[in-house]
Amino acid sequence: EVQLLESGGGLVRRGGSLRLSCAASGFIFSTYAMSWVRQAPGKGLEWVSGISGAGGAIYYADSVKGRFIISRDTSTNTLYLEMYSLRAEDTAVYYCSREGGYGDSYHFDYWGQGTMVTVSS
Amino acid sequence: DIVMTQSPDSLAVSLGERATINCKCSQSVLYSSNSKNYLAWYQQKAGQPPRLLIYWASTRESGVPDRFSGSGSGTDFTLTISSLQAEDVAIYYCQQYYRHSSKTFGQGTKVEIK
Repeated sequence: EVQLLESGGGLVRRGGSLRLSCAASGFIFSTYAMSWVRQAPGKGLEWVSGISGAGGAIYYADSVKGRFIISRDTSTNTLYLEMYSLRAEDTAVYYCSREGGYGDSYHFDYWGQGTMVTVSS
Repeated sequence: DIVMTQSPDSLAVSLGERATINCKCSQSVLYSSNSKNYLAWYQQKAGQPPRLLIYWASTRESGVPDRFSGSGSGTDFTLTISSLQAEDVAIYYCQQYYRHSSKTFGQGTKVEIK
């Protein structure tokens, strides 16, 4: 059974930093691209960042480029999101998601339960 | 970025009636070399993560009831719930994954019972 479990969220001051983790299980982690998607309170879904299965291709939304770093550790089957220079508008639930295939661009077939990040001013 | 625009923002439908949600992309998400539309639909119930319903514009995910169907090509797509059930109350999102570098979502459509 595919499982994605996020952790690392919390309350952080504006300008601070935080590292999110997503522990993956139930599939061959290195085969699948992964993404982070966030949802501000009462708002819609926003794709934040994605990384290919081997980690060689990395993408960011313009809203986080230069402030967030996505990475993955295939030895521990863990996806990370390092967040720096946090702003109030980064306040959101952050979801880890798996792409539904490899070798191409895919939809997100599995999602974690999310971890809440709150940036205080 | 490809901008995704859903309509309507919300709709109320009687139990057993049809619900239709539209999604328009600012540019085509049809990849000519494989004739696939890189478009997915998700359902999000209150307090839960999104759930994949439809991918490649019209392929139903395993376990999704057949009252959910997707159609369209290029820039215009539709999600149809043929006979609305109480458990279908949720927000529905379309998403394009045509671009590896930016996989944008629509703003969401809230479906309620009339």
